Amino acid sequence: DIQMTQFPSTLSASVGDRVIISCRASQTISNWLAWYQQKPGKAPKLLIFQASSLEIGIPSRFSGSGSGTDFTLTISSLQPDDFATYFCQQYDTHSTFGQGTKVEIK
Amino acid sequence: QITLKESGPALVKPTQTLTLTCTFSGFSFRSRGVGVGWIRQAPGKALEWLALIYWDDDRRYNPSLESRLTITKDTFKNQVVLTMASLVPVDTGTYYCAHTHSNSWFFDYWGQGTLVTVSS
Repeated sequence: DIQMTQFPSTLSASVGDRVIISCRASQTISNWLAWYQQKPGKAPKLLIFQASSLEIGIPSRFSGSGSGTDFTLTISSLQPDDFATYFCQQYDTHSTFGQGTKVEIK
Repeated sequence: QITLKESGPALVKPTQTLTLTCTFSGFSFRSRGVGVGWIRQAPGKALEWLALIYWDDDRRYNPSLESRLTITKDTFKNQVVLTMASLVPVDTGTYYCAHTHSNSWFFDYWGQGTLVTVSS
């Protein structure tokens, strides 16, 4: 199984901050990685697929980068609607999700 | 507009088999590349991919759960059914179905989820 490790597990930030969330795969996954945003009691929402492709309708302040084993999700200027938990998902070999990064208000 | 909705029992006893149905609209298994997957989430925990079925009946399972899972589709009814056998309390959680396309594995549309509790 490919393990996905996200860090940090919790991140405290303010509106306007640049936020970077990391995700590391236990073996190379090329660019087969997606990022999701989840709010309490809601289903996840796709943000990024294939490591850096922005899903239709997602604001351009979200961006993804990386390949191989190391990936990042960047929010260029945090907005009030962005306080949520973020998950990465590898889909190189079957699929596994990271444990999540909660972005909370500082 | 693509929508998906999960249905099934809210409470299941240990050792029983769970049957969940995903009813969808806005797409069809007649379209090449379409897939529907199941993902679950224990309370306060991470997401866990369970199974995926494609337009051509290709089926994929989480290796750690494969012996307990069966996924099927009904193209005419626009439904996908997941069965999970031999339930234990750690199977408690919210179960989501979700859409994918282009024979991919990421999910662009999700149902609202259904909470399943395994308890005697």
